[in-house]
Amino acid sequence: DGGITQSPKYLFRKEGQNVTLSCEQNLNHDAMYWYRQDPGQGLRLIYYSQIVNDFQKGDIAEGYSVSREKKESFPLTVTSAQKNPTAFYLCASSIDGRWSYEQYFGPGTRLTVT
Amino acid sequence: SQKIEQNSEALNIQEGKTATLTCNYTNYSPAYLQWYRQDPGRGPVFLLLIRENEKEKRKERLKVTFDTTLKQSLFHITASQPADSATYLCALYSSASKIIFGSGTRLSIRP
Repeated sequence: DGGITQSPKYLFRKEGQNVTLSCEQNLNHDAMYWYRQDPGQGLRLIYYSQIVNDFQKGDIAEGYSVSREKKESFPLTVTSAQKNPTAFYLCASSIDGRWSYEQYFGPGTRLTVT
Repeated sequence: SQKIEQNSEALNIQEGKTATLTCNYTNYSPAYLQWYRQDPGRGPVFLLLIRENEKEKRKERLKVTFDTTLKQSLFHITASQPADSATYLCALYSSASKIIFGSGTRLSIRP
């Protein structure tokens, strides 16, 4: 059963703690993406990776970090430097890094920081 | 500044009618425009992609138009069903801006 998995579905953290969100895909896609979604707003691009061992900042990268050591994995770390970390985080992948291709999204992780 | 707008208010449609959703943009020259469906608490699902040189794209009961002069895309669902109730997102790609998503329009189909 191919697809993208994100874990956990819900995550709670205290302010000042770093937290890592998991994203795994078995679609053999080259490109992977992280988005953040806030109520009433569109998805905003945090980071993207078009190939293993390479990634670029999106529109709102401050306070976040990523790694892409394996093709199937693209974890996102929300650091204590992120001012408003509470949000719904979505991971996606596409066949390659060309933006014309459709993106396949995971089920999301809802992060709450108090 | 660059902007992408979708109907912020929910759209309520009687079952069987055609639902039409709007995506307007300013200060972009998008090469591609995509439409996604998102159910509450879940990730978006891709529906259709249309290129700047295409006027219209169809897939089953779905139709998308792209008017680069009006800077607008329309998304139609014909013979709407309650199962079509969801939030629909448009997304633009341009070489300058990468991908930008609209905030979505919530569609509700009543039986």
